[in-house]
Amino acid sequence: DAGVTQSPTHLIKTRGQHVTLRCSPISGHKSVSWYQQVLGQGPQFIFQYYEKEERGRGNFPDRFSARQFPNYSSELNVNALLLGDSALYLCASSLREGRYEQYFGPGTRLTVT
Amino acid sequence: GNSVTQMEGPVTLSEEAFLTINCTYTATGYPSLFWYVQYPGEGLQLLLKATKADDKGSNKGFEATYRKETTSFHLEKGSVQVSDSAVYFCALSRGDSWGKLQFGAGTQVVVTP
Repeated sequence: DAGVTQSPTHLIKTRGQHVTLRCSPISGHKSVSWYQQVLGQGPQFIFQYYEKEERGRGNFPDRFSARQFPNYSSELNVNALLLGDSALYLCASSLREGRYEQYFGPGTRLTVT
Repeated sequence: GNSVTQMEGPVTLSEEAFLTINCTYTATGYPSLFWYVQYPGEGLQLLLKATKADDKGSNKGFEATYRKETTSFHLEKGSVQVSDSAVYFCALSRGDSWGKLQFGAGTQVVVTP
């Protein structure tokens, strides 16, 4: 079975631009979480979605938004990019919310110049 | 607020040496505790977990015991291999949701032949 997939793998954007990152969860998984991992640091929680509803939000500005589609895939959108948004963005899926293991994708490396 | 503190790396060891990575946490209540591993160019993989005090998580020769009295969850392995070279993250989650993980900064481990 395919694991969590993310696209694109790498992305280079300019300050002020907008970016959309995509995530496909493991088949049958209904919960998706997003994390930002700045180089040399641990991942920081951004959002969790379950059954297309936001279930949690980390300490990120409103420039960050996300949604989950009926097929449980998810998009993370970041507006008005800043240099500090350069990071590895990780998506994780789990069977449902609650005490279920999260499975991480390989991430999207975003570079803002 | 919640926080996870890990020993700084890199930790450099010879093959077959004993590995310890210290992790302490700050959280109210009874968090669940995790160790994740990240190999170069890959996403995170769950290595082991413990959900209540005195639980011992174990996997692939790695072990960690949930010590509430010292708020610690140190990772150990008796005999490391070159293939154990990676970045190790300690993490916690609160309540019934494992979808909102809080990570430490990570510890790079380098095992030389």
